[in-house]
Amino acid sequence: AQKVTQAQTEISVVEKEDVTLDCVYETRDTTYYLFWYKQPPSGELVFLIRRNSFDEQNEISGRYSWNFQKSTSSFNFTITASQVVDSAVYFCALSAFEGGADGLTFGKGTHLIIQP
Amino acid sequence: DTGVSQDPRHKITKRGQNVTFRCDPISEHNRLYWYRQTLGQGPEFLTYFQNEAQLEKSRLLSDRFSAERPKGSFSTLEIQRTEQGDSAMYLCASSLMIAEAFFGQGTRLTVV
Repeated sequence: AQKVTQAQTEISVVEKEDVTLDCVYETRDTTYYLFWYKQPPSGELVFLIRRNSFDEQNEISGRYSWNFQKSTSSFNFTITASQVVDSAVYFCALSAFEGGADGLTFGKGTHLIIQP
Repeated sequence: DTGVSQDPRHKITKRGQNVTFRCDPISEHNRLYWYRQTLGQGPEFLTYFQNEAQLEKSRLLSDRFSAERPKGSFSTLEIQRTEQGDSAMYLCASSLMIAEAFFGQGTRLTVV
């Protein structure tokens, strides 16, 4: 069975601070895919990143960066110089299938609050 | 194309009534998915279609739930004899095979 744990239920920081959202996963599959989604108050899940289990390189996209460590089964997400617009619920997800949402297992999400 | 569209955005119904939701995927996407999300939880997979074929159904999808995707375009999710426990956000997503899924804004169902 697959499982995704986001231990941080809610994080509140002041604007411009850096913040890291933790994600720990469990799977018996040797090939799997990890995702991060953002859910603003409007409710729509916004895709942020997909990473496959063979690629452990960290990735940076603007103020966002992701740290994938297979040894600890973690896929953490860091926002640098946070902004109020980053306030949302962030979900980490795991899939045994390539790319698509079939079989996506989501964590419970981390509610990120960026205070001005 | 502006993305995945879901209708209605909100639905309030009395217990025991039937409800139907609609999802219009991104036009060229051949895969369509339904998820359910309750307050404070992540989305839970319900079912998915590849074109018009329903390929997988979660055990969460009881016999009161039925989904269709006629002609491989839009999809409907019907819940019969609604119960209070069905209150949730119902999310639809679509994708091309071997590509990330794009989600709609969801239909929030409240059963009173």
